[in-house]
Amino acid sequence: RKEVEQDPGPFNVPEGATVAFNCTYSNSASQSFFWYRQDCRKEPKLLMSVYSSGNEDGRFTAQLNRASQYISLLIRDSKLSDSATYLCVVDTGGFKTIFGAGTRLFVKA
Amino acid sequence: NAGVMQNPRHLVRRRGQEARLRCSPMKGHSHVYWYRQLPEEGLKFMVYLQKENIIDESGMPKERFSAEFPKEGPSILRIQQVVRGDSAAYFCASSPPIQNGYTFGSGTRLTVV
Repeated sequence: RKEVEQDPGPFNVPEGATVAFNCTYSNSASQSFFWYRQDCRKEPKLLMSVYSSGNEDGRFTAQLNRASQYISLLIRDSKLSDSATYLCVVDTGGFKTIFGAGTRLFVKA
Repeated sequence: NAGVMQNPRHLVRRRGQEARLRCSPMKGHSHVYWYRQLPEEGLKFMVYLQKENIIDESGMPKERFSAEFPKEGPSILRIQQVVRGDSAAYFCASSPPIQNGYTFGSGTRLTVV
C-alpha cells in the first residue's frame, strides 16, 4: 500500500462546479498535512495546510479525518484557473514528507 | 526575498557525463530537500539536508548520486555517469526550522541524450 494515495483523475468539470478530492495516508503517526497545487511543468506551490478542525480559504475547504486517515479538498465555484494537479502531502514527523502522485483537475468553460 | 533559486533551469547531458544541480534556499531557511519528478509521475523524496549535514538520504539511489549543503554556498545534487533514466525534473525545496510547508524552486529539468 502506498504511503499516500490519491485518485489520479482526471476530473473534468464545468466552470462553477463544486469538486472534491480525497487522499488517504497509511501512517497513523503522521503529524502535518497539506495540499499543494502544481501547474504543468511548474514547481508545486503550497495551497493550504490541513487541520483537524478543518480550514477554509475562500473557495477552498480542507478537512482531516484522523480516524479514517484521509484528507479532503473541496473547491467551490470552480474557475478555469483552478485547472492543475493537486498534491496531497503528509509529514510523518522528523521532516519526512511524502507527496501523493496528484489528482489532475480540468475546468472547462 | 528571492525565494528558492535553482540553476540551471534546463540541463542537457550525454550519457556518462556528470550533472550538477544547484539550489540556494530562501533566506532564513536552513533545511533543504531534493525531490525528483519523472514525467507524469509524482514527486519522489531523495534527500534532506541541513548545513553540512545529510539528515535523511533514504530516497537517494545508492550509486552515482550524492548531495551536499556546505556551510557556504548552495546545496548541490550531483549525478555521476548519467543514464537516460535520470532524465527528470529535479526540485529543491527549503523550509525554516519549524516546518509548516515547503517553498519549492522552479526546478532543473535534466535531459540525458
